[in-house]
Amino acid sequence: DGGITQSPKYLFRKEGQNVTLSCEQNLNHDAMYWYRQDPGQGLRLIYYSQIVNDFQKGDIAEGYSVSREKKESFPLTVTSAQKNPTAFYLCASSIVPAYQPQHFGDGTRLSIL
Amino acid sequence: AQTVTQSQPEMSVQEAETVTLSCTYDTSESNYYLFWYKQPPSRQMILVIRQEAYKQQNATENRFSVNFQKAAKSFSLKISDSQLGDTAMYFCATSTGNQFYFGTGTSLTVIP
Repeated sequence: DGGITQSPKYLFRKEGQNVTLSCEQNLNHDAMYWYRQDPGQGLRLIYYSQIVNDFQKGDIAEGYSVSREKKESFPLTVTSAQKNPTAFYLCASSIVPAYQPQHFGDGTRLSIL
Repeated sequence: AQTVTQSQPEMSVQEAETVTLSCTYDTSESNYYLFWYKQPPSRQMILVIRQEAYKQQNATENRFSVNFQKAAKSFSLKISDSQLGDTAMYFCATSTGNQFYFGTGTSLTVIP
């Protein structure tokens, strides 16, 4: 079955450490997205990519970085510059243009040690 | 940028009753799509229903239907015959083709 796989499900970060969240899709979608979800704030867009080797900043990109070397993969790095990284992170994909619904992964819960 | 507003942070409904969740949005685009997503306690995002802005007919999916008022930029979700499994966060979203914009969600509890 086609879908989106996020790993790990739970991740812990130490102070000053960079961590990378994995997102892989086998839906043959061109567009991929990273969202951050905090209580009471819904989903906020971190980065999105509509084609390989290209990506755009979303509303809250500071302290995060991404790469899109393959169509299937869109990893998110939470850098030490992100001072409040504790949140639930969701990866999604869609066709381009994004008039069709987004498909979501099961999410990664990131916490600070 | 577009904004999506869900003014009801929490709602509850008795099992088998009907409930309506509100959503308003702001956009300058002429062509866009509207969505309702459900996020149960498992936190999996599940598409509930989709509406094309150029279609006047309101979308319906089984017990779920929308009331789309384009001039008022309103997109409410009606859940009929509420079931315990409908307990979840519900997010309204819009898309113009490049990005999706989500509201802050409404937490719905179905009471037995």
